Amino acid sequence: NAGVTQTPKFRILKIGQSMTLQCTQDMNHNYMYWYRQDPGMGLKLIYYSVGAGITDKGEVPNGYNVSRSTTEDFPLRLELAAPSQTSVYFCASSYDFGQGWGKNQPQHFGDGTRLSIL
Amino acid sequence: EDQVTQSPEALRLQEGESSSLNCSYTVSGLRGLFWYRQDPGKGPEFLFTLYSAGEEKEKERLKATLTKKESFLHITAPKPEDSATYLCAVQPNQAGTALIFGKGTTLSVSS
Repeated sequence: NAGVTQTPKFRILKIGQSMTLQCTQDMNHNYMYWYRQDPGMGLKLIYYSVGAGITDKGEVPNGYNVSRSTTEDFPLRLELAAPSQTSVYFCASSYDFGQGWGKNQPQHFGDGTRLSIL
Repeated sequence: EDQVTQSPEALRLQEGESSSLNCSYTVSGLRGLFWYRQDPGKGPEFLFTLYSAGEEKEKERLKATLTKKESFLHITAPKPEDSATYLCAVQPNQAGTALIFGKGTTLSVSS
């Protein structure tokens, strides 16, 4: 069972460079999410998607972009890397019936991408 | 403002020494409360979901409980392999499905 797969696992970028963090899930989940985790802080939501072609901002979206062309894939793009974006990035997915319908399903996480910007 | 506070930040136990972790929350309507375990270098691993006050869930040495203001994760007779960071998250009952995470409690169990 692959679950949620993130690539790369580690990356070092120079200030101003761009890159895409890849995320794919094989559980046929409709919802997907990107979080960042900084030392001593809780996970913060960057962007999320409720289905192919639909994305929305989370708590800390500045400096990032996302797209969702398929159910399985939800890439996160950094256009102009800045030192403040040094963090561990986690992708997650879940099946959600929608607000008010059924009990909420847990989010399943990948093992993260550790990104350093120097 | 919706928020989650976990305490203590760190907890050191001897093997077999039972204890509890606390998760206090303020949310405008609770859709669900989640407990995760996170090992170093790994993503959060789902443990429990609690939906309403009075609900309890158990798994091996772990038991999660929920009141209207807080949740406890009770660890009975812990073993060294229970050492990890335990994360609590709430989902408000409003548009979107964002989880609000606490900062976590890092548990160390020594033999």
